[in-house]
Amino acid sequence: DAGVIQSPRHEVTEMGQEVTLRCKPISGHDYLFWYRQTMMRGLELLIYFNNNVPIDDSGMPEDRFSAKMPNASFSTLKIQPSEPRDSAVYFCASSLEVRGKQYFGPGTRLTVT
Amino acid sequence: AQKITQTQPGMFVQEKEAVTLDCTYDTSDQSYGLFWYKQPSSGEMIFLIYQGSYDEQNATEGRYSLNFQKARKSANLVISASQLGDSAMYFCAMREKNTGTASKLTFGTGTRLQVTL
Repeated sequence: DAGVIQSPRHEVTEMGQEVTLRCKPISGHDYLFWYRQTMMRGLELLIYFNNNVPIDDSGMPEDRFSAKMPNASFSTLKIQPSEPRDSAVYFCASSLEVRGKQYFGPGTRLTVT
Repeated sequence: AQKITQTQPGMFVQEKEAVTLDCTYDTSDQSYGLFWYKQPSSGEMIFLIYQGSYDEQNATEGRYSLNFQKARKSANLVISASQLGDSAMYFCAMREKNTGTASKLTFGTGTRLQVTL
């Protein structure tokens, strides 16, 4: 089975532009997670979904960030407007059960200039 | 207080030798899980090994083993017979049960392992 798929792998955009990151979880996994990794803050959970419903978005940094999961096989993380401090690697992960191990996608490296 | 502490920012080990990467954790929960992930230079996060707080045996997965000392709240990763491909960042993570987000993983700051010839 294919792993977690993320696109794009790299994104370079200008400050103020809208950015959309995409994730396809492993088929059958009911949990989907969005993480952000920076040198300063390490790996942080932004939000997670269970059965397409957002469960905890307390890690979302501010209103410029939003995430959706319209169906079991697709999720987006949107930043509007983007700022240079949003530059990071964004990971999507999925798991089969609430206590299960999380499988990570390859990440999207975002650079905001 | 840090939930997960990895005190070794960098480690060197010679090929074919064993190496221990330290991880200590802080929780008041009785039920929790401990994970180790590997992040090579290519950037992906690779799951290595899992230990549940109630597991009596130390977890093992091939060359990886977890030295779980519950009373000391430590969950060190042991890599036996190191290979050049083991060079990477290694992250320890904990999942706690009694949090508002039952699935939330808290990560340590990582240890960069370099395997030398």
